[in-house]
Amino acid sequence: DGGITQSPKYLFRKEGQNVTLSCEQNLNHDAMYWYRQDPGQGLRLIYYSQIVNDFQKGDIAEGYSVSREKKESFPLTVTSAQKNPTAFYLCASHPQIHSGANVLTFGAGSRLTVL
Amino acid sequence: RKEVEQDPGPFNVPEGATVAFNCTYSNSASQSFFWYRQDCRKEPKLLMSVYSSGNEDGRFTAQLNRASQYISLLIRDSKLSDSATYLCVVESHYGGSQGNLIFGKGTKLSVKP
Repeated sequence: DGGITQSPKYLFRKEGQNVTLSCEQNLNHDAMYWYRQDPGQGLRLIYYSQIVNDFQKGDIAEGYSVSREKKESFPLTVTSAQKNPTAFYLCASHPQIHSGANVLTFGAGSRLTVL
Repeated sequence: RKEVEQDPGPFNVPEGATVAFNCTYSNSASQSFFWYRQDCRKEPKLLMSVYSSGNEDGRFTAQLNRASQYISLLIRDSKLSDSATYLCVVESHYGGSQGNLIFGKGTKLSVKP
């Protein structure tokens, strides 16, 4: 079945450590996104990518980094520079960024807790 | 003014009730509109798109008012399983740092027996 796989589902990190969240899709979608969600809050965009080897900062990119070496993969690294990284991280994909299609597919999310 | 605003709720309603949510958006150039449903600690899932003429899917009705820049979602005959947070999503096709998809903070619905 086509979809988006995020891993790990739960992750605990000590302060000062970098962690990488995996996001893989087999939907052949061009656009991929990383969002962060805090309790009682909406989704805030961290980074997005429209095409391989290209990505753009979202509204809260500081302390995060991404890569898009393959169409299927869009990993997110939460660096030690991110001051408050505890959150629910959602990866999503979309056929094309300007397609107007309603097919925005989300992964099941990764819940990061900093100890 | 925030780009997409929703009443956070919670809306606590009895089973069988009719409940309506509103969402306002600030970008008049917005092109597409959606309602997503998010269950507790889960990912959002598309509930329905919102068309200019209004559209219905079973107990759910979505409407768009471009002049006033708001979207609504009406749920009739509420079920316990409707309890969730409902996210308003607006898609614009004219640049911006958000990749053109902007999410509201969501409206929480709790349906009680």
